[in-house]
Amino acid sequence: EVQLVESGGGLVQPGGSLRLSCAASGFTFSSYSMNWVRQAPGKGLEWVSYISSSSSTIYYADSVKGRFTISRDNAKNSLYLQMNSLRDEDTAVYYCARLVDDWYFDLWGRGTLVTVSS
Amino acid sequence: QLVLTQSPSASASLGASVKLTCTLSSGHSSYAIAWHQQQPEKGPRYLMKLNSDGSHSKGDGIPDRFSGSSSGAERYLTISSLQSEDEADYYCQTWGTGTPWVFGGGTKLTVL
Repeated sequence: EVQLVESGGGLVQPGGSLRLSCAASGFTFSSYSMNWVRQAPGKGLEWVSYISSSSSTIYYADSVKGRFTISRDNAKNSLYLQMNSLRDEDTAVYYCARLVDDWYFDLWGRGTLVTVSS
Repeated sequence: QLVLTQSPSASASLGASVKLTCTLSSGHSSYAIAWHQQQPEKGPRYLMKLNSDGSHSKGDGIPDRFSGSSSGAERYLTISSLQSEDEADYYCQTWGTGTPWVFGGGTKLTVL
């Protein structure tokens, strides 16, 4: 089955760190660019970060630049998001998403909830 | 600046049809978009990509009841023979050179 499964979310204090993982299966993970997209409670979708298939190109939204780091391990079919210096406004469900033709998302995970609160 | 605008809400009766709209900002009327569905408490699901000429390509397993069309800067998602499981949030999405991947604000569809 073609799927993405996120993990690693949880409750963390402001200023803390968390590492999210996304396990891919059912397709050739190494052929696709991957992204993280988040959704704050009751809000819409917000793109967070992009990584190309070979990890040679990486982009971040301004809201997380300098605090989050995206990475991948093609041998393990896994995508990661290291989140440091977390803020209240980072509270959201984080989705892993596959990108096609570098412009549209065609496969999404079920998400993992990150709550930043003291 | 590339912006996608959607109405916050829409409603239609069970078995009827509904047409949702996504409007591209000025200067971007030639852009293609993608439509995504998010049912309550679930992750988004890709529905289709939609070009400026109205041609579209749907994702695997998307029913024929879902179709797309275009007119100028507007991109439409039409759902016919509405079913209860179509009650969801619908997002349009695109990308532009120098612009990160952007989403519309979403339309919450209620099936009456």
